[in-house]
Amino acid sequence: DVKVTQSSRYLVKRTGEKVFLECVQDMDHENMFWYRQDPGLGLRLIYFSYDVKMKEKGDIPEGYSVSREKKERFSLILESASTNQTSMYLCASSLTSDSRLEQYFGPGTRLTVT
Amino acid sequence: AQTVTQSQPEMSVQEAETVTLSCTYDTSESDYYLFWYKQPPSRQMILVIRQEAYKQQNATENRFSVNFQKAAKSFSLKISDSQLGDAAMYFCASPPGGNEKLTFGTGTRLTIIP
Repeated sequence: DVKVTQSSRYLVKRTGEKVFLECVQDMDHENMFWYRQDPGLGLRLIYFSYDVKMKEKGDIPEGYSVSREKKERFSLILESASTNQTSMYLCASSLTSDSRLEQYFGPGTRLTVT
Repeated sequence: AQTVTQSQPEMSVQEAETVTLSCTYDTSESDYYLFWYKQPPSRQMILVIRQEAYKQQNATENRFSVNFQKAAKSFSLKISDSQLGDAAMYFCASPPGGNEKLTFGTGTRLTIIP
């Protein structure tokens, strides 16, 4: 089974702090994704990566950056956290050769910025 | 632009009854897969069912089935014999076209009434 893990289930940070959210997958997937989930808005794609050191902006990249130094790990960085970044963050991965584009999700990180 | 629409933010059903969740989508792909994901209160997003657009036969997984209308770009999820464990957020997803991404709807929260 594919396993996607995220470094924290719950995180509380202060405004202006630099925040790192880590995601690791164990199935050698090329593609990794970061979403933010808000009530009434569903899942919105922040960034995705299709290979090591490769990234592409999603629908809402402002205020975020990402890093992918190793295939299994994809980090989401909030350079200066703001209260409007309080949200649930979901990581996912998928296999390029899988024509179905099926994504596998981590448990999520509930981030609160105060 | 939103390309996946779930018009029912909330639904409820009596235990053991049948409920249908609706979804419409848009894609520029000619052959593609559609997905329904379930997110229980514990937050881990899991795949419920997938449908290949090339196949006319509707997908079925135990109590879960889809009604796929390709021309109408409609992809509804039917849950038969609803159980308390079916209570969750349900998200529909489709590929917008041209890359490895999926676009998710805004979700339907399903409540099961004992």
